[in-house]
Amino acid sequence: DTGVSQNPRHKITKRGQNVTFRCDPISEHNRLYWYRQTLGQGPEFLTYFQNEAQLEKSRLLSDRFSAERPKGSFSTLEIQRTEQGDSAMYLCASSPPPTFNEQFFGPGTRLTVL
Amino acid sequence: AQKITQTQPGMFVQEKEAVTLDCTYDTSDPSYGLFWYKQPSSGEMIFLIYQGSYDQQNATEGRYSLNFQKARKSANLVISASQLGDSAMYFCAMREGTTGNQFYFGTGTSLTVIP
Repeated sequence: DTGVSQNPRHKITKRGQNVTFRCDPISEHNRLYWYRQTLGQGPEFLTYFQNEAQLEKSRLLSDRFSAERPKGSFSTLEIQRTEQGDSAMYLCASSPPPTFNEQFFGPGTRLTVL
Repeated sequence: AQKITQTQPGMFVQEKEAVTLDCTYDTSDPSYGLFWYKQPSSGEMIFLIYQGSYDQQNATEGRYSLNFQKARKSANLVISASQLGDSAMYFCAMREGTTGNQFYFGTGTSLTVIP
């Protein structure tokens, strides 16, 4: 198992464009999390999935953000009409059952909105 | 109120010495989990140690131990015999509930190990 992978690693886009990131968790990890991390801050929870079900979404998450995990394996995070404030590192993590205590993080996707 | 507070933006420690990184938390849920992560300059978050709120003993993982003081709501990370490779950002995090959903992270402490 190669761990959690995220693509792309870097994305530069112009304000107003849509972007999509992909996360491939460790196989058999039921839970998948998305976080956003800005410089000098800890990761901020965005949303999480239990298999294909999106069970929680941060109140801070704008309607421009949407995430899917259609078959309970990989997940995508889409940001529509990007704004400069969306510039951040987007982290994905997966957790194995039964306790889900340990989170395995991917390398992240760094988004820069010009 | 902040769920997780890390008051030390930066810490220095001499190689081979021990260092304590502070973390306090805020929750009214009797069941919660506390976590520490390491984030090297490469950026990837690495899980270090976990402590459950009902665990009777402090968690230990190799050179890492968690000094859990429930009444004071503190969960300090102790790194013994520091190594140069320990230089990184360290984040304390909490999850409320037994297998709860959200993880709340602190702002992190930057540790530098001096040779």
